Amino acid sequence: TQLLEQSPQFLSIQEGENLTVYCNSSSVFSSLQWYRQEPGEGPVLLVTVVTGGEVKKLKRLTFQFGDARKDSSLHITAAQPGDTGLYLCAGALRNAGNMLTFGGGTRLMVKP
Amino acid sequence: NAGVTQTPKFQVLKTGQSMTLQCAQDMNHNSMYWYRQDPGMGLRLIYYSASEGTTDKGEVPNGYNVSRLNKREFSLRLESAAPSQTSVYFCASSDIRNPPGELFFGEGSRLTVL
Repeated sequence: TQLLEQSPQFLSIQEGENLTVYCNSSSVFSSLQWYRQEPGEGPVLLVTVVTGGEVKKLKRLTFQFGDARKDSSLHITAAQPGDTGLYLCAGALRNAGNMLTFGGGTRLMVKP
Repeated sequence: NAGVTQTPKFQVLKTGQSMTLQCAQDMNHNSMYWYRQDPGMGLRLIYYSASEGTTDKGEVPNGYNVSRLNKREFSLRLESAAPSQTSVYFCASSDIRNPPGELFFGEGSRLTVL
């Protein structure tokens, strides 16, 4: 069982649809990051959230950190083929020296 | 801008062979990391180096050794490769550990152990 559970694992949608990806845990995180990874490349940071209840927007992407800092969501509005990729959440545990623990990832495919 | 460079990009080994994955970063970061990525498992930390001269075990260190050669370079060694070590390996670096800063990743090294 992973410390961070991401859902869904796979998502295939049409261009223009909205979607939400979830990242859940029973542990409290001091901060949480979201990364996007494209085939053959390493992950690239999208956002870091630190405060419970925090909402950050990056163009059509909206990130939310749960009030209790145990979960997070990523919402994409009007998805485009360029959003295709593997989305990874990573949480930092204070009692683990703030090392990042990654979720299993959500693989998103946006079809034109 | 090179960022984080890993070599080799692809490698096929036979069970029992040894090899070293090389990683170098040109961003003057203090912290460096080695992760492995397996389908559905996300990224799992093998070893990390918080600063030059220090190394520590991560979540899955068995079967691996590391060397922080200098501030720029962090290598990962498999002494006796096993099929369970077939994976994609990523090196990463970061500047701030507390709270965690952005991880900058290399392009990955795909290893197959037969």
